[in-house]
Amino acid sequence: KNQVEQSPQSLIILEGKNCTLQCNYTVSPFSNLRWYKQDTGRGPVSLTIMTFSENTKSNGRYTATLDADTKQSSLHITASQLSDSASYICVVSALTGRRALTFGSGTRLQVQP
Amino acid sequence: KAGVTQTPRYLIKTRGQQVTLSCSPISGHRSVSWYQQTPGQGLQFLFEYFSETQRNKGNFPGRFSGRQFSNSRSEMNVSTLELGDSALYLCASSLGAGESTDTQYFGPGTRLTVL
Repeated sequence: KNQVEQSPQSLIILEGKNCTLQCNYTVSPFSNLRWYKQDTGRGPVSLTIMTFSENTKSNGRYTATLDADTKQSSLHITASQLSDSASYICVVSALTGRRALTFGSGTRLQVQP
Repeated sequence: KAGVTQTPRYLIKTRGQQVTLSCSPISGHRSVSWYQQTPGQGLQFLFEYFSETQRNKGNFPGRFSGRQFSNSRSEMNVSTLELGDSALYLCASSLGAGESTDTQYFGPGTRLTVL
């Protein structure tokens, strides 16, 4: 069964600090992995998307890594800001020729002043 | 360019009723996907429409249905509502060219409460 597990479930950090969120998956055959940011009460916004051949991708202060061998991904946030407080969702797509997405349960990040 | 819009934003229904939610994709986008988000289950895929045809479907009962119009606007219908259908229903649009890296853009969602 395809699964995506994220850790930690929640995280509190101080403004200006860095943090790393983890995503482990068992989706097969693998197509791509996406990280989304979801503010409370709003729809998710795409941060990064990586295919099998990519092992790192950046979007401003967000850097995602992918290890397709160990089926692990991480999202690193540098110099956190209060506006980074949100849920971060890892989504893995299977290569089935049709859209088959498996969602992680998300990491709730709270950045405190 | 306007983003994905969903109407209504909030809805309260009672058990047994039916509900229709609407989604207008970004101009030029031909794919519309629907998701259900609950605190316990997280985001779950309902179905995807492309060029008025259902292209993919998640594991939801037949009470959940949808359709897409020629202008790519989509509606989702839930019949015989149950308490467990209370959730945030999200719509996402994309170009839908079939590329696995086709980026989806989400709307703000419709918050459905079933009493």
